[in-house]
Amino acid sequence: SQQGEEDPQALSIQEGENATMNCSYKTSINNLQWYRQNSGRGLVHLILIRSNEREKHSGRLRVTLDTSKKSSSLLITASRAADTASYFCAIYGGTASKLTFGTGTRLQVTL
Amino acid sequence: EPEVTQTPSHQVTQMGQEVILRCVPISNHLYFYWYRQILGQKVEFLVSFYNNEISEKSEIFDDQFSVERPDGSNFTLKIRSTKLEDSAMYFCASSEGQGYNEQFFGPGTRLTVL
Repeated sequence: SQQGEEDPQALSIQEGENATMNCSYKTSINNLQWYRQNSGRGLVHLILIRSNEREKHSGRLRVTLDTSKKSSSLLITASRAADTASYFCAIYGGTASKLTFGTGTRLQVTL
Repeated sequence: EPEVTQTPSHQVTQMGQEVILRCVPISNHLYFYWYRQILGQKVEFLVSFYNNEISEKSEIFDDQFSVERPDGSNFTLKIRSTKLEDSAMYFCASSEGQGYNEQFFGPGTRLTVL
């Protein structure tokens, strides 16, 4: 299975701190995408990183990809209470049109 | 900014009834998808659709499910005879190209089967 597994499952930090979430997967990928989901709401696309890329930035987000270790990390710097959400990695393997989602990390940012 | 929209936001139905979930993908996108998320579980792929036909479907997408693009803007998911286990949040997504591109998701339809 290409399934991504995120860790930690839950993360609680204070506003202003950095949050790091990790995603591991089992097979080769074409790209890996990170999404945010507020409780009971839709999935918001954050960033896509392709297999030939090692790092991407978008605002306070930094994503790294290590294809040799089959892992990716999402770093949110200077976190805010509004960053409280679940974060998912989703894998596109290139042989099918679907995304395979991981189990998610629940991030709680407290004031 | 263009976005995927879905209606209704919440649908309650009796077991055995048919439901149709509606989606309007982003206008210049060519690939369309349905995913579902049972409460507390992962997001699961159901089906992808391109050029008026199904590209791929998962094991979940059995004969009770069908998809259609009835006109140039709408994309629908029909469940013919709902079961209790179909209760979930259903997400529509669209992308410009195949999986090489970002998939943008709608806000979801929460389906409750009683």
